[in-house]
Amino acid sequence: EAGVAQSPRYKIIEKRQSVAFWCNPISGHATLYWYQQILGQGPKLLIQFQNNGVVDDSQLPKDRFSAERLKGVDSTLKIQPAKLEDSAVYLCASSLTSGGTNHNEQFFGPGTRLTVL
Amino acid sequence: AQTVTQSQPEMSVQEAETVTLSCTYDTSENNYYLFWYKQPPSRQMILVIRQEAYKQQNATENRFSVNFQKAAKSFSLKISDSQLGDTAMYFCAFRMPGGGNTPLVFGKGTRLSVIA
Repeated sequence: EAGVAQSPRYKIIEKRQSVAFWCNPISGHATLYWYQQILGQGPKLLIQFQNNGVVDDSQLPKDRFSAERLKGVDSTLKIQPAKLEDSAVYLCASSLTSGGTNHNEQFFGPGTRLTVL
Repeated sequence: AQTVTQSQPEMSVQEAETVTLSCTYDTSENNYYLFWYKQPPSRQMILVIRQEAYKQQNATENRFSVNFQKAAKSFSLKISDSQLGDTAMYFCAFRMPGGGNTPLVFGKGTRLSVIA
């Protein structure tokens, strides 16, 4: 079974430029998460999708960050314009969906390391 | 809001020895899930072990086991017979129940080095 795919693996941009990251979840996984991991910290949720709908984007800086999952499969995360403090690893994860309270494991991609100069 | 605290930024252990990583969390909920994830330099987050709060028995996965103390809100990870491949960042994480798809709340991590 293929894992969560992300691209690019690395990106270096200057502040005020734009950047986009792509994620392709595991086939059949309806739930998709974007996490931001700043150096020396644990990942923090940015946005969660259920199919193509947003479940939680309360921690997404909406003045500069946007994300979409138009067909309920792959997703893009965009930053425009980028700031120095956006330098981080951006992790995508996916999981199956169930109607109950059972745990569904989140599978993570390799992440994209963004450096803003 | 739930918080997860890992008080050991770095630890080291000799190969074949045992090491324990600490984690505490804060929640007012009674049912939840706790996890330990491993993140090697490749950045791939890998699930090591998971514990359901309603289970009294501590989870075990091969060389990895946890000490879950619900009243104390403590969730430590014990790695036995440490191997060089265990060198990585280890993150403790918390998840609420809720349709099976609530997000993870992570601690800041502990960097573990296994020394030959």
